[in-house]
Formats: sequence, structure tokens, C-alpha cells
Amino acid sequence: EAQVTQNPRYLITVTGKKLTVTCSQNMNHEYMSWYRQDPGLGLRQIYYSMNVEVTDKGDVPEGYKVSRKEKRNFPLILESPSPNQTSLYFCASSVTAGVSYEQYFGPGTRLTVT
Amino acid sequence: QQQVKQSPQSLIVQKGGISIINCAYENTAFDYFPWYQQFPGKGPALLIAIRPDVSEKKEGRFTISFNKSAKQFSLHIMDSQPGDSATYFCAATPHANAGKSTFGDGTTLTVKP
Repeated sequence: EAQVTQNPRYLITVTGKKLTVTCSQNMNHEYMSWYRQDPGLGLRQIYYSMNVEVTDKGDVPEGYKVSRKEKRNFPLILESPSPNQTSLYFCASSVTAGVSYEQYFGPGTRLTVT
Repeated sequence: QQQVKQSPQSLIVQKGGISIINCAYENTAFDYFPWYQQFPGKGPALLIAIRPDVSEKKEGRFTISFNKSAKQFSLHIMDSQPGDSATYFCAATPHANAGKSTFGDGTTLTVKP
């Protein structure tokens, strides 16, 4: 079964305490992305990766880091979380092949920073 | 600068009716135009996607219409059902970079029984 998994699903933390949200996909997709979803703002891309060791900034990268050391994993790192990073985070993987397009999202991680 | 504009923000339709959601884009480098459905507490799920060389694509009750010259595309849900009540997002993705999707702000659809 095609799957994108994220952990943890829920996280409450305090300002400044480093955290990592893991993401893993089992479809051998080249592309992986992180999004945050906030009420009224839709889905905004944080970072994306085109393959192992290749990453680039999305629309809202400030305060986040990513790494892609293996094709299946794409962790999101918050070095010093702040309350404005309280949000719902989604990891996704995608692939294009000619006319076809696939993108799968994980179940989401709800982060609260106090 | 928002590159994909989606409307309406919310939509209420009676059961059996047609739900229509519209999107407009600015960047001509986009090659894939997917639509996603999201239920509360879940991640978005890909519904249907279209490429700009096709004017219409249908999958079951869901149809995408694409107008390349106007840079607009729309999702039509025929015979709308209460189970279709969800938030719908349009997006645009360049072929050269399938990871770089730009999303519309979403439309909350409510189908009344």
C-alpha cells in the first residue's frame, strides 16, 4: 500500500526546544515536500527535495531545516521553535511520468509551540 | 504573490446538485493541475489531475475543465453527495519539478441532504 508516514502526529513543545518531525514514504518517489496548513492560508510549502541530497526552499522556509540522506526519508527540523510555528504540518511525496502525476500526503503533524 | 487563486472560499450545494470550484493561475510554466480533497483531521488526497494539452478530464463524478488561453481550470462534482463535504484544493505543478506545487487557498464544500 502506497503510504507516507509522519511522526509524531501530535506534539506540544516550548519555545526554543529543538524538535524533529520524521517523514517516510514507501513508493520510491524522487520528490518530497513539507507543507504547513494554517486557517485561511491554505497549504504553504516549506521545503522540497528533488532527490537525495538535493533540497530547496519553498515559500515559507524561515525557521526550518530539512535533510534528505535517504530517498525514503525527509525529516523536518525546527532548531528553535517559536509560537508562530504552531501549525498543522504535512509531508508529501510525488512523481511525474509523462502525462501522469501522483502526490501522496502524510496524515499530518499538529504542532503547538508555547 | 499568489500564483493560484481559488474561488469560492465556501460553497453550499443541495444533494444531487453540481458543485463548481474555480482556479486561475499566473505562471505558464505549470504542467500539472491537480485537485485535492481533504476531510477534517486527514491529509489532502489527490482526486484528479490534468495537463494543459487536455481540455477536460473526467473520473467518475469528478470532472476537470481546463482553459489554457484564460489560464483557468475548474472542478465539477456532478450529483454531489453529503459524503463529498470536504475542503477542496487546486494546485499547479511544473513538470521540471514535481515537488514544487503551488496551492490555492481551498474551498469548503457542504452538501446538504
